[in-house]
Amino acid sequence: KAGVTQTPRYLIKTRGQQVTLSCSPISGHRSVSWYQQTPGQGLQFLFEYFSETQRNKGNFPGRFSGRQFSNSRSEMNVSTLELGDSALYLCASRYGGQGSLHFGNGTRLTVT
Amino acid sequence: QQQVKQSPQSLIVQKGGISIINCAYENTAFDYFPWYQQFPGKGPALLIAIRPDVSEKKEGRFTISFNKSAKQFSLHIMDSQPGDSATYFCAASMGGNEKLTFGTGTRLTIIP
Repeated sequence: KAGVTQTPRYLIKTRGQQVTLSCSPISGHRSVSWYQQTPGQGLQFLFEYFSETQRNKGNFPGRFSGRQFSNSRSEMNVSTLELGDSALYLCASRYGGQGSLHFGNGTRLTVT
Repeated sequence: QQQVKQSPQSLIVQKGGISIINCAYENTAFDYFPWYQQFPGKGPALLIAIRPDVSEKKEGRFTISFNKSAKQFSLHIMDSQPGDSATYFCAASMGGNEKLTFGTGTRLTIIP
């Protein structure tokens, strides 16, 4: 079974631009979560989607948004990029409400 | 109250020794405590997890010890091997909630 796939692996953007990251969960998994990982703040929860509905949201500004499609694939969008948005963005999926989280290898976003 | 405090920040252990990483939490509503292992360039991978109805869980060389009254839990790696060199994160969540609150991570190095 293929794991969680995130594309692209690396992105370089300029401050003020916007970016869209993509995540394909493990086949059959309906829940997708996004996390931001930085050296200073560690791993922080962004949001979680289940059956196309946002079920939970972390403490990030409205510039961070996401969505989930009917095939469970998810996208995350960051608008008006700031230097501090440079991070590894991780997507994780799981089957239902109690299963363990399976992480992808992330998208490394660099904002210059 | 949502924090999970992890120590030490870095740890060097000789091959064959025992690696011990500690975490403490404040929120008594947490009821799921996983440990993740992360190698450079990869996403975190679930290593082992425990719920507060047991005080210890063992899987191979990895053991979680859980002290509910002290609100602490720890990861023990027996017979540590160079391949165990990675960053380890403890985490906690409540009620099957997707949102994981992570510790700050411990960089473990196993030396020959």
